Amino acid sequence: TAGITQAPTSQILAAGRSMTLRCTQDMRHNAMYWYRQDLGLGLRLIHYSNTAGTTGKGEVPDGYSVSRANTDDFPLTLASAVPSQTSVYFCASSEFGQDRAQPQHFGDGTRLSIL
Amino acid sequence: DAKTTQPNSMESNEEEPVHLPCNHSTISGTDYIHWYRQLPSQGPEYVIHGLTSNVNNRMASLAIAEDRKSSTLILHRATLRDAAVYYCILRLRDDKIIFGKGTRLHILP
Repeated sequence: TAGITQAPTSQILAAGRSMTLRCTQDMRHNAMYWYRQDLGLGLRLIHYSNTAGTTGKGEVPDGYSVSRANTDDFPLTLASAVPSQTSVYFCASSEFGQDRAQPQHFGDGTRLSIL
Repeated sequence: DAKTTQPNSMESNEEEPVHLPCNHSTISGTDYIHWYRQLPSQGPEYVIHGLTSNVNNRMASLAIAEDRKSSTLILHRATLRDAAVYYCILRLRDDKIIFGKGTRLHILP
């Protein structure tokens, strides 16, 4: 089973350019999440969506936007990339976002370098 | 703000039990404790979660202190495939998700 699919696997991007990281899940989960992972800082939540049509801000939302037009897709957009956004980005999903007992399922990540 | 504290790294011998500690002294009554692990070049993988009572599943056990200010993930018999970074996470009532910095577990053959 595919679970969470992220694309691209890796990308090098010039500063100032825009970029959309794609995330698709085939589990019909209601909630989806975007995290970034930086060395020494663990994972930090960027944005989340508890259900299609709704989104919320996480711990580090600045410089990022998301949309949730349908259940399966949750793209993350960097409108004007800056070097501090160099990171590994993980997408995750869970069956019910507001049920804090639900486990999250993660993709394998997108490694993004901003030069 | 709620946060978790874990040792940076730990070592254990293969086929022995491993106890991975996590402190979360500012946890509130309705915050769930989750544990995930991350192998190299992969996304985190769910291990176990709990609220107040100790929990067991096929992967591990979770022991939660009576005051809930700390918890311990127990791997009963470590294998080389258990070498990973283990994260203790709080899921808060306001939808916040707090990842600790994780413990890198080394398994010695």
